[in-house]
Amino acid sequence: AQKVTQAQTEISVVEKEDVTLDCVYETRDTTYYLFWYKQPPSGELVFLIRRNSFDEQNEISGRYSWNFQKSTSSFNFTITASQVVDSAVYFCALSGDYKLSFGAGTTVTVRA
Amino acid sequence: ETGVTQTPRHLVMGMTNKKSLKCEQHLGHNAMYWYKQSAKKPLELMFVYSLEERVENNSVPSRFSPECPNSSHLFLHLHTLQPEDSALYLCASSQDRALSGPYEQYFGPGTRLTVT
Repeated sequence: AQKVTQAQTEISVVEKEDVTLDCVYETRDTTYYLFWYKQPPSGELVFLIRRNSFDEQNEISGRYSWNFQKSTSSFNFTITASQVVDSAVYFCALSGDYKLSFGAGTTVTVRA
Repeated sequence: ETGVTQTPRHLVMGMTNKKSLKCEQHLGHNAMYWYKQSAKKPLELMFVYSLEERVENNSVPSRFSPECPNSSHLFLHLHTLQPEDSALYLCASSQDRALSGPYEQYFGPGTRLTVT
């Protein structure tokens, strides 16, 4: 069985602060894929990143960065210098064939 | 139009009504999905279609009936729903699974369904 745990339910920060979202997963597959999605108040989930289990290199995209640590089954996401537009629910997900197993999501509120 | 569109955006229906949700993708994908998002619960995968064939039915009650007439369109037919079916219903699409693993899914804005 696959499981994704996002222990942080809500995080509130002031603009320009960094915020790190935790994601811990469980799977018996040796090959698997991890994703992060953003859901702004409009409701549409926006794809952010896809990472396979063989690629442990960290990735940076603008103010976003991801830290994949297979040894601890974690795939954490950091927003640097947060902005009000970053306010959203962020979901971590794990794939098995067609099925994406989502975590419960972390609500990030960035205050001006 | 671009991306994944869903209509209607909001729907209120009684328990005896029959309605349909529509999803259309303009991305050239060949797999489509229905998800249910309820308050305080993780997203739940309901159905998966790949190349217009249903490949996953995640123990969804028969009052939800999907239809995929072609790779660009996906419907969810609703009948005799219950109040607990009130939720945000999200449609997504992706390329089919490749040797390199599953592709990312692109989501529509969802239909907010309220069953009274």
